[in-house]
Amino acid sequence: NAGVTQTPKFRVLKTGQSMTLLCAQDMNHEYMYWYRQDPGMGLRLIHYSVGEGTTAKGEVPDGYNVSRLKKQNFLLGLESAAPSQTSVYFCASSYSYRDSPGPEQFFGPGTRLTVL
Amino acid sequence: AQKVTQAQTEISVVEKEDVTLDCVYETRDTTYYLFWYKQPPSGELVFLIRRNSFDEQNEISGRYSWNFQKSTSSFNFTITASQVVDSAVYFCALSGVERYNQGGKLIFGQGTELSVKP
Repeated sequence: NAGVTQTPKFRVLKTGQSMTLLCAQDMNHEYMYWYRQDPGMGLRLIHYSVGEGTTAKGEVPDGYNVSRLKKQNFLLGLESAAPSQTSVYFCASSYSYRDSPGPEQFFGPGTRLTVL
Repeated sequence: AQKVTQAQTEISVVEKEDVTLDCVYETRDTTYYLFWYKQPPSGELVFLIRRNSFDEQNEISGRYSWNFQKSTSSFNFTITASQVVDSAVYFCALSGVERYNQGGKLIFGQGTELSVKP
C-alpha cells in the first residue's frame, strides 16, 4: 500500500519548457488535489478533482492544467513554465464527503520544481 | 471568505518545555472541519488531527493536545515536554461544507516553524 506517490521528486526547467507531474493513489479515493507550497504562504490549492473525468480550478490555477482520466491518477501540467512557478508541489487525495464528511487529505511526498 | 491565521512564524524552545501553537480561523459556515498537519524537515505532510465544528471537546493524544474554542474561533495545539523530534513546520487548516460538489478543499494557514533545541 504505497498511499500517494508523486513523480518526479525533483525537476529543473528552463523558462518556456513544459512538463507534467504525475500523482497516483492506491486508496480508491474519489477526490484528488494539487497544491503548491511557497515560503511563508502555506499550501495553496491549484486544481482539484471530485471524480474520474472531472476537474476544477482552485485558488491559483493560472499557468496550470490538469487531467484525471483514471480514478487513481491526477496529472498536473505546466505548458510554458515561468520562474514564478518555482515551488514545491504536493498532491493529495481523500474520500468524498458522501463517504466521510470533512475528510482528511493524504499527501504525497512532494515535487520540488525550479524554473530558471 | 474562509481564512486561517497562524500568527507565530517561528518558535524556538528548549527540550522539555511546553509550547502552544496558535491558530485562528474565519468562516461563515456553521459546519466546518479543522485540521493540524506536521511537516518535518524531510518534507512530507503528516496528518495529526481533525475536529468538526460541533465537537468542542479538547483532545489529548500523548504529549499532544488541542484546544478548540468556537467563541474565539481558535484551534490551538500544545506540545507538552517537547522533544527534538517535534521540530517541524506545523500547519493549521480549515475545510468548510462541501457545496455543489466542490470537494473538501483545505485552506491552510501560513505555518509555524517549531525548533526544539536539546
